[in-house]
Amino acid sequence: EVQLLESGGGLVQPGGSLRLSCAASGFTFSSYAMNWVRQAPGKGLEWVSALSDSGGSTYYADSVKGRFTISRDNSKNTLYLQMNSLRAEDTAVYYCAKGYDIGWYPGGYWGQGTLVTVSS
Amino acid sequence: DIQMTQSPSSLSASVGDRVTITCRASKGIRNYLAWYQQKPGKVPKLLLYAASTLQSGVPSRFSGSGSGTDFTLTISSLQPEDVATYYCQKYNNAPFTFGPGTNVDIK
Repeated sequence: EVQLLESGGGLVQPGGSLRLSCAASGFTFSSYAMNWVRQAPGKGLEWVSALSDSGGSTYYADSVKGRFTISRDNSKNTLYLQMNSLRAEDTAVYYCAKGYDIGWYPGGYWGQGTLVTVSS
Repeated sequence: DIQMTQSPSSLSASVGDRVTITCRASKGIRNYLAWYQQKPGKVPKLLLYAASTLQSGVPSRFSGSGSGTDFTLTISSLQPEDVATYYCQKYNNAPFTFGPGTNVDIK
């Protein structure tokens, strides 16, 4: 059974940093592209970042480019999102999502999410 | 960057009705379009990819069509469990932008 478990969310002050993790199991993690998608309270889905199966290709939304860094450790079956210079508008539930098939990015399976609140 | 729009933003229909949601890309994306369903308080679920390919386990009353800039998601016979927000997402290249969503409820 595919499982994605996000962690690392919490309350942080504007300008602060957080690192989110997504522990994966139940599939060959190193074969799949992965994504981070966020959803602000009461709002729609916003794609944040993605990276290829090897981690060699990374992609970012303009809203987070230069502040967030996506990475993965295939030996630990874990996806990360390092978030720096956080702003109030980064407040959201952050989901990790596994590509629906090898070589494809759209999220075929999603974790339950972790809440990030940026506030003083 | 390519922008994604959806219409309508919300709709209310009766059980058994045929429901159609439209997604439009500001530039052509071939058939690199996915559709998701998010029920209230739940995690998003992939319904279709490649514009018209049904994800495994998704009921056959859901279907998709389109290519280029204009796409549709159709629910052939609306069921109470289909109350949700539906999102399209482009994935021809990054950024993999979502549409703003369409809220569907029962009249």
